[in-house]
Amino acid sequence: EPEVTQTPSHQVTQMGQEVILRCVPISNHLYFYWYRQILGQKVEFLVSFYNNEISEKSEIFDDQFSVERPDGSNFTLKIRSTKLEDSAMYFCASKKDPESQPQHFGDGTRLSIL
Amino acid sequence: AQKITQTQPGMFVQEKEAVTLDCTYDTSDPSYGLFWYKQPSSGEMIFLIYQGSYDQQNATEGRYSLNFQKARKSANLVISASQLGDSAMYFCAMREGTLRSNDYKLSFGAGTTVTVRA
Repeated sequence: EPEVTQTPSHQVTQMGQEVILRCVPISNHLYFYWYRQILGQKVEFLVSFYNNEISEKSEIFDDQFSVERPDGSNFTLKIRSTKLEDSAMYFCASKKDPESQPQHFGDGTRLSIL
Repeated sequence: AQKITQTQPGMFVQEKEAVTLDCTYDTSDPSYGLFWYKQPSSGEMIFLIYQGSYDQQNATEGRYSLNFQKARKSANLVISASQLGDSAMYFCAMREGTLRSNDYKLSFGAGTTVTVRA
């Protein structure tokens, strides 16, 4: 069964550094998402992306965050200048079309900011 | 205001018994959907079951069933014949408003940790 792939599984970065989290959505999916989960807390929506542009973003997704689909397969989340509070598990998700259910999640990238 | 409320932070269940995980939701949208995801200790998010607001029957997927009570705005997950591998965190989530947008985000509850005892 096709799956969403995220790399790396764990990223350790110094505070203030830029980090790029990578995702390969399921190949025929058109809608892409990033969520985050701070340790012990609930999953929070960050951003949704469709037709090469952001559809919706949350208050968390400030100017330090950006998303990109640089080619036909990858979907990336960039944090420009990381802060300690960015430490979390980041999930990428995708879905095929408006009617398809559910969003398919990747295994996540655990981001640790030192 | 919380859109999804899961009031049980943790539950213990004996192997082979059934367990019910509570979920209540809040929305004014007539079109919405409810999901349950499982998150094992390894961290991945595994989709379990989906219920649409217009679905007439309660959803079932193998040992998982969703007790959907629309008037009460509840969507409880029932896991029958619990197995040791069911030990995990379980999240209830809701999507809203496909009628006004082709794209939607999921709002998650705080989760319930289930521990299955042998």
